[in-house]
Parts: sequence; structure tokens; C-alpha cells
Amino acid sequence: QKEVEQNSGPLSVPEGAIASLNCTYSDRGSQSFFWYRQYSGKSPELIMFIYSNGDKEDGRFTAQLNKASQYVSLLIRDSQPSDSATYLCAVLAGGSYIPTFGRGTSLIVHP
Amino acid sequence: DAGVTQSPTHLIKTRGQQVTLRCSPKSGHDTVSWYQQALGQGPQFIFQYYEEEERQRGNFPDRFSGHQYPNYSSELNVNALLLGDSALYLCASRPGRRGTDTQYFGPGTRLTVL
Repeated sequence: QKEVEQNSGPLSVPEGAIASLNCTYSDRGSQSFFWYRQYSGKSPELIMFIYSNGDKEDGRFTAQLNKASQYVSLLIRDSQPSDSATYLCAVLAGGSYIPTFGRGTSLIVHP
Repeated sequence: DAGVTQSPTHLIKTRGQQVTLRCSPKSGHDTVSWYQQALGQGPQFIFQYYEEEERQRGNFPDRFSGHQYPNYSSELNVNALLLGDSALYLCASRPGRRGTDTQYFGPGTRLTVL
């Protein structure tokens, strides 16, 4: 049973701070990791994905993988109120076609 | 270039009824997956269609069925609706079956079962 765990939050950070979101996964053979942002009442939107070979930075977003401890992080620098949303982590196990989603972490950025 | 589209946007049904949800994939995408997202939960995989066949299925009962047409559009059918079927139903498309291919979600259909 492949599991992806996220703290449901909410995680509350002040505007301009760094928001750190974490996701743990159970399948050690997992090879691809996705972060989606979901605004209330809307569908998930892909913001970052990384493979098992390294971290990735894209603008204010950085995704980091710790394979030994089996967790992946999403850092949001200079957080803005518009970043307030639920962040979903999805993990793709090796040989699988279907990613497994976590339940998401609610992020609140307050002015 | 239109993204993934879904219809209807909202739907209200009563227990025992049947419902059909529709999805048109993003241009150039031939693989469609359906997900159910209950309130406060992550998307749960229902099934995936590729080349008009169901290729993979999640842990959902046979009341959930689907279809893919030659133009890659897809339908999700749910029979004998239960209160617990109330959720946001998401369609996602990708340009191939490989899991590493980025999939894009449609806006979803909000189903309420009374």
C-alpha cells in the first residue's frame, strides 16, 4: 500500500516569510514527486515536479528531496497572501503510471 | 489552446440515481484519468483510459464505469448513487501513459447527492 502523508495544517506564515511544506512517502522505490496548488473550490494546478536525481528551483518555489528519510519538501520564499491555498503532494512509484496524492496542507499567508 | 474541460460544473442528484460526467482532454493528450476528491482529502484515483480502454483502476466499486471515445474525450458514469459519492470529480489528461508525463486537471464537476 503506497502512502503519502501530509500534515493537514493550517500552516500560517506572515507575508514575506518562507513557508515550508513537507510530505512523506512510504514506497522507497518512488521516483517522481509533484506539488500541486489548489485554491478553495478549484482544481489542482501543477507548480513543481522533481525526479529522484535532484532538487529544483523555480522562481520563489524550491522542491527538495530527502531520499534517505523519504520526504519531499516545498519551500515558498517571500510568501504572498495569494499563495494561500492547499498544497497537494503526489508521488509516483517506480514502474507505476498513477501518482498517489496526499491529503494536502492548507497554507495561510497573512499580511 | 483549450485546456482540459469538464461538464457539467455542478450537479445535484438523489440517492439511487445515475450520473454521467464528461471530459475533453487538452489538445494533443490521449490519456485521461478520473479522480474523486472528497472535502478535505486529496484526489483518489478512479481509473485511467488510453486507446479507448480502461488501463488501470483504483479501489472503486463497479458502480463507477467509464468510456473513452476515438477523439480521446471521456465519460465517467456512476450508478446507484450514494450519499458518500458527493465529491469533486476531476478529470486529468496527459500526452501518453507514462507516469512522468505531466498531467493537467480540468476544473472539476461538483456532485452533490441528496
